[in-house]
Amino acid sequence: AQSVTQLDSHVSVSEGTPVLLRCNYSSSYSPSLFWYVQHPNKGLQLLLKYTSAATLVKGINGFEAEFKKSETSFHLTKPSAHMSDAAEYFCVVRILTGGGNKLTFGTGTQLKVEL
Amino acid sequence: DAGVTQSPTHLIKTRGQQVTLRCSPISGHKSVSWYQQVLGQGPQFIFQYYEKEERGRGNFPDRFSARQFPNYSSELNVNALLLGDSALYLCASSVGLALNTGELFFGEGSRLTVL
Repeated sequence: AQSVTQLDSHVSVSEGTPVLLRCNYSSSYSPSLFWYVQHPNKGLQLLLKYTSAATLVKGINGFEAEFKKSETSFHLTKPSAHMSDAAEYFCVVRILTGGGNKLTFGTGTQLKVEL
Repeated sequence: DAGVTQSPTHLIKTRGQQVTLRCSPISGHKSVSWYQQVLGQGPQFIFQYYEKEERGRGNFPDRFSARQFPNYSSELNVNALLLGDSALYLCASSVGLALNTGELFFGEGSRLTVL
């Protein structure tokens, strides 16, 4: 079965320092992977997606993620954190259903950015 | 352009009651999916509809049902509410089944509290 595991439930960084949010996946074939962000009282917003094209994926707001098959990882990074990055981040895998598809979410990583 | 809109934004029900949540997809989107997000967890897939037909169902009891209308809007119904049904219910839309990209656009959700 396909799944994702987010290795940290909470991450705290200082503004201007790098961000690393870790995600490992489990899949018997090449997965479609995503990172979504959820700000308080807001809906989910797609940050970036990997669909078997380039392994280094660039997203919005300076975020990027690298698909590493050998490590079964899809970690999210950003060179320099901003206060507005404080939010919950979800690593997601897409699973095909009988006639459609569904997203399976990780448990989330709460990112805190301090001055 | 309007995004995915959901109503109501907040509601309170008591155990045993029934609730109907509504979703209007982005104009031109023909697929609607429903997710349940319990506090502190990632969203879980409930249903996917495309062209008024159910295309996927998650591991939820039969108390949960949904439908999609000719204008592609959708309703999620939950009968015989339990305390554990308290959650944020998210609706997401996509142009088609998003089999290639898997990209969904989420609304801000309907927060249901069951007392």
